[in-house]
Amino acid sequence: DIQMTQSPSSLSASVGDRVTITCRASQSISRHLNWYQQKPGKAPKVLIYAASSLEGGVPSRFSGSGSGTDFTLTISSLQPEDFATYYCQQSYSTPPGFGQGTRLEIK
Amino acid sequence: QVHLVESGGGLVKPGGSLRLSCEASGFTFSDYYMSWVRQAPGRGLEWISYISSTGSDTYYADFVKGRFTISRDNAKKSVSLQMNNLRADDTAVYFCARDAAKRIGMMTVDLFDYWGQGTLVTVSS
Repeated sequence: DIQMTQSPSSLSASVGDRVTITCRASQSISRHLNWYQQKPGKAPKVLIYAASSLEGGVPSRFSGSGSGTDFTLTISSLQPEDFATYYCQQSYSTPPGFGQGTRLEIK
Repeated sequence: QVHLVESGGGLVKPGGSLRLSCEASGFTFSDYYMSWVRQAPGRGLEWISYISSTGSDTYYADFVKGRFTISRDNAKKSVSLQMNNLRADDTAVYFCARDAAKRIGMMTVDLFDYWGQGTLVTVSS
């Protein structure tokens, strides 16, 4: 199985900050990498698919990059509604594993 | 508008069984693979199982293989998860999710593009 490792596990930031979350796969997954946002008590919501494609309706302050084993999710200017937990997920092979999550908190 | 609504969660004793259901609306259900994903309290997301659009193919995570069975009824637009021999570590919110395939140039990428609200399963004596 492909293991997904996110860093950091948690992050404190302020409104307006630029934030980057990284995700590393245990083997190459090309660009088969998705990013999800989850708020407490809610279902996850897809933000980015295929490493860098923005899902419809997602604000352009979210962006993704990377290929192979190393990927990043960047939020260019944090908004109050962005404080949540973020997960990467590989869809290169079954089982489609998730990273352990990065909790983004208000500083 | 796509909607997925799970039901069937509840409190069950270790070794017991439970059947979860997910009813879909707002899209052509028979065109999509469907998955179940769970989240233990305070923990991350954990994929459990998927079923192909026709129901002919299924796949399970190792930790549920032999205990859980996924099925679907395309006429009723529903997918189910039969869970047997439940353990305390199966306690979680269980989500159903639509498995979409998006084409990017020459590449097709799978993603979970719609999720239900989840149903809580608690395994405790």
